Amino acid sequence: GQNIDQPTEMTATEGAIVQINCTYQTSGFNGLFWYQQHAGEAPTFLSYNVLDGLEEKGRFSSFLSRSKGYSYLLLKELQMKDSASYLCAVEGNTPLVFGKGTRLSVIA
Amino acid sequence: KAGVTQTPRYLIKTRGQQVTLSCSPISGHRSVSWYQQTPGQGLQFLFEYFSETQRNKGNFPGRFSGRQFSNSRSEMNVSTLELGDSALYLCASSPRTGGGVEQYFGPGTRLTVT
Repeated sequence: GQNIDQPTEMTATEGAIVQINCTYQTSGFNGLFWYQQHAGEAPTFLSYNVLDGLEEKGRFSSFLSRSKGYSYLLLKELQMKDSASYLCAVEGNTPLVFGKGTRLSVIA
Repeated sequence: KAGVTQTPRYLIKTRGQQVTLSCSPISGHRSVSWYQQTPGQGLQFLFEYFSETQRNKGNFPGRFSGRQFSNSRSEMNVSTLELGDSALYLCASSPRTGGGVEQYFGPGTRLTVT
């Protein structure tokens, strides 16, 4: 079956670093996406990982370990505008399967 | 370039009715996917269309159907509405189908079934 797990909620302080984990068990694996979704808005693309390792893109980085079925999204120098839901999605033998998302609250 | 547009943005229907939602992809995008988003289940894939052909279908009952027109615009239809169909329906477009393609989401249609 398809299973993607993410923490439901996280809270972090402005200026800090936060790591949002995602573990998955899916039929086949081609790649893993991270999307950001602000409340009441559409999801927007953050990153796509195919190979093991860390991909850095400004304040955001995404890590993948295919052998462990594990990924994380790292957000540095947190800003209030980073308060949003972060969705992990796996591309495998079936169409894109999304986790339920992690709601991140950034506090002053 | 204009983004993905969805109409209507909000809709209230009663049980047993049917509903049609519309999605206009980004110009030049030929792939359109539909998702249902609820607090309990998160984002769930409904179907994907590419060049007017359904390429993939999620695990939803036959009451959920869709189509794509020659201009890549897409519609989805839900017949015999149930209370559990209340959700945000998101459409996403991409320039091509296949792996590793970023999807651009529209703002969604909020459907409430009473």
